[in-house]
Amino acid sequence: DIQMTQSPSSLSASVGDRVTITCRASRGIGSYLAWYQQKPGKVPKLLIYAASTLQSGVPSRFSGSGSGTDFTLTISSLQPEDVSTYYCQKYDTAPWTFGLGTKVE
Amino acid sequence: EVQLLESGGGLVQPGGSLRLSCAASGFTFSSNSMSWVRQAPGKGLEWVAAIGSSGNNTYYSDSVKGRFTISRDNSRSTLLLQMNSLKVEDTAVYFCAKDPGSSPPTHYFDFWGQGTLVTVSS
Repeated sequence: DIQMTQSPSSLSASVGDRVTITCRASRGIGSYLAWYQQKPGKVPKLLIYAASTLQSGVPSRFSGSGSGTDFTLTISSLQPEDVSTYYCQKYDTAPWTFGLGTKVE
Repeated sequence: EVQLLESGGGLVQPGGSLRLSCAASGFTFSSNSMSWVRQAPGKGLEWVAAIGSSGNNTYYSDSVKGRFTISRDNSRSTLLLQMNSLKVEDTAVYFCAKDPGSSPPTHYFDFWGQGTLVTVSS
């Protein structure tokens, strides 16, 4: 099975900082990658699908890029409400695996 | 407004069984694939099982294959997960998740329920 590796596992940043999270697949998955945000005690929320398509209603400071094996989620200007754990998920073929998450503080 | 409401969680002994339900509303349930995703306490997300819109196609993670069965009742807009031979490591919050695709499905998830906690312990 394809493994999804996220880095870093956690990071600390300041309001206004540019934040980049990386997700690497052990084999190519095309652009079949989604990103989710999970705030503490809350349900996961879809941010991005197809590696770079912003889900409706998601602020434009979030963006995604990449294809094949290497992907990034970027928050252009970190806001206090962005404190969350972020997960990538591949969805090319089963099993539809999630990364282990990146905690942004 | 899309709503997914899970129920059926609780405390069960190792080796026991439990059946989870997810009541869906706010969309045409019979048009969308659905999945169960779980999250162990303090851990990340783990996809568990998926089912196609008609119920003909099912998929399972290796960790639950042969023990869990996903099904759906489109007439009642309900997703089900029958969990047998439960193990301590199955302890988690179980989320019902909606696939935005219909035919074909996409297998990412645009709406999630609030989750139901399953605790497997003696």
